[in-house]
Amino acid sequence: DAKTTQPNSMESNEEEPVHLPCNHSTISGTDYIHWYRQLPSQGPEYVIHGLTSNVNNRMASLAIAEDRKSSTLILHRATLRDAAVYYCILRDVQNAGNMLTFGGGTRLMVKP
Amino acid sequence: DSGVTQTPKHLITATGQRVTLRCSPRSGDLSVYWYQQSLDQGLQFLIQYYNGEERAKGNILERFSAQQFPDLHSELNLSSLELGDSALYFCASSVALVDNEQFFGPGTRLTVL
Repeated sequence: DAKTTQPNSMESNEEEPVHLPCNHSTISGTDYIHWYRQLPSQGPEYVIHGLTSNVNNRMASLAIAEDRKSSTLILHRATLRDAAVYYCILRDVQNAGNMLTFGGGTRLMVKP
Repeated sequence: DSGVTQTPKHLITATGQRVTLRCSPRSGDLSVYWYQQSLDQGLQFLIQYYNGEERAKGNILERFSAQQFPDLHSELNLSSLELGDSALYFCASSVALVDNEQFFGPGTRLTVL
């Protein structure tokens, strides 16, 4: 399985943008890039996903490098509620199932 | 609230015992997934069911088994429990067999003493 590398932790100030990086140099052509986050004492929560083009939704933006070997999750204005562990996950659509393989993720701390 | 429910929220038991964790997926979702989250292993995929049939298996121990019933709820059975089985167990669901978004429940915290 293709793997992802993320910083263990990052810090941000409230109401400022946050850029969470993810490296996936062994990504294959059939891998989608997914981001999930896990708030304290909760189950993971879907954030966004993409294949080749940049994506925007109400929660965040996903910027994907042209060679797809890295991506960045962008939170446009961090709030205290965004403090969570953010997981960058590659999902191979050729898999018979739909399993998510979680790595260590990035713990985002948001300062007021 | 994701719409996925799990019971019980907490479970404390002893080594060697057997427990059953229950999951009700979101209305209309046919796929159910089980994940284990422990301090040393992180979040690991265990197994996926789709419309009653097992469709994918991860690092699930032989002592663990699961099933999905006709009403689509699922149960994860853990037997001959060991101290190392203490973890958070999450259930997730999605509409289809292959889906872009999985909805996770609040988890069941299992403590084996």
